[in-house]
Amino acid sequence: ETGVTQTPRHLVMGMTNKKSLKCEQHLGHNAMYWYKQSAKKPLELMFVYNFKEQTENNSVPSRFSPECPNSSHLFLHLHTLQPEDSALYLCASSQAPGQSYEQYFGPGTRLTVT
Amino acid sequence: TQLLEQSPQFLSIQEGENLTVYCNSSSVFSSLQWYRQEPGEGPVLLVTVVTGGEVKKLKRLTFQFGDARKDSSLHITAAQPGDTGLYLCAGNTGFQKLVFGTGTRLLVSP
Repeated sequence: ETGVTQTPRHLVMGMTNKKSLKCEQHLGHNAMYWYKQSAKKPLELMFVYNFKEQTENNSVPSRFSPECPNSSHLFLHLHTLQPEDSALYLCASSQAPGQSYEQYFGPGTRLTVT
Repeated sequence: TQLLEQSPQFLSIQEGENLTVYCNSSSVFSSLQWYRQEPGEGPVLLVTVVTGGEVKKLKRLTFQFGDARKDSSLHITAAQPGDTGLYLCAGNTGFQKLVFGTGTRLLVSP
């Protein structure tokens, strides 16, 4: 595997379900990001992790819970979501802070909340 | 709140035509990136511009960063169907945060 991978690619869940999104990067980067992409809205940054530590939470509701066990893996745990949370969730990675901020994206998880 | 406005929002052209996409803001960015996103995929980085007035060429694509580092443009020469996609600009605020533009959806028909 190369680049940034995400699983699952598609997910349908009810409002009472609990699910997790997974992201893995094979680029040797130390920063990882979660973004939300909704129709007709710009990409929204959700969380930033640097060297496994969360450095940014962009006022994201607590029903979204990120986890970064190491610099290569990032999870987004979901529980009691709302229909308006349906969107494409994108993971990205970049080199450590202070270096290039070029971010490399995974293919995304298309989430539908019913 | 920093905003990046892209224009046009939608563009439908014939193969072989030229086009320009604009990305404008009232904020200054330390660098600016352009991405292309195809349906069902994540954005793919095309280029990063850093210096005010900088021009970069990537085959038929020409990217320019404004002198004041507040705006950018993407010019495509002789567009091809493979250029179809959503084009996104993203400004680097200098705090490891990218502010993404509103996007330009391009359709190039054969």
